[in-house]
Amino acid sequence: KAGVTQTPRYLIKTRGQQVTLSCSPISGHRSVSWYQQTPGQGLQFLFEYFSETQRNKGNFPGRFSGRQFSNSRSEMNVSTLELGDSALYLCASSAGPGQGNTEAFFGQGTRLTVV
Amino acid sequence: KNEVEQSPQNLTAQEGEFITINCSYSVGISALHWLQQHPGGGIVSLFMLSSGKKKHGRLIATINIQEKHSSLHITASHPRDSAVYICAVPYMSRPTDKLIFGTGTRLQVFP
Repeated sequence: KAGVTQTPRYLIKTRGQQVTLSCSPISGHRSVSWYQQTPGQGLQFLFEYFSETQRNKGNFPGRFSGRQFSNSRSEMNVSTLELGDSALYLCASSAGPGQGNTEAFFGQGTRLTVV
Repeated sequence: KNEVEQSPQNLTAQEGEFITINCSYSVGISALHWLQQHPGGGIVSLFMLSSGKKKHGRLIATINIQEKHSSLHITASHPRDSAVYICAVPYMSRPTDKLIFGTGTRLQVFP
């Protein structure tokens, strides 16, 4: 069974550009969550999707958006990139619907560098 | 105060030593996750537990729901165990898979 796949693995963008990251969950999983990891803030929750619906959103500006497709693949988009958006972006999939007691499987992450 | 606190933040050990990493949380939970992150960045789920103890190879995780405390133990530690260990709990205000993470414990095991 393939794991969670995130693409691309590495990305370098300049300030002001926009970026789209992709996450393919484990086959059969319908819940996808996105997290941002920075040295200063640790792992912080971005969004959560289940069956194409955003169920939860973290405390991030509107420049951060996401969506989920009917095959459960998810994308997140960051517009008007800022230097502070440089981070490792991780997605996690689970069978859902979550009650907090379903195991989460993480991807390798996309390391975004904004210059 | 963070909802999930881990200790220690950094830990060094000699190969073969017994390692304990602690996690305390202040919210009600249905389960607690222990995760491992290697320098490459990817995160691996080690355990998810809601009571008692779980064992997988040299790794043992325990949880005390009443005391809101969990521990991760590594027996006979090995340099390949060097990683960041993170505990995480679910955000319980409504049905969700969202996790709240501790700050992590960076473990280095030397040969």
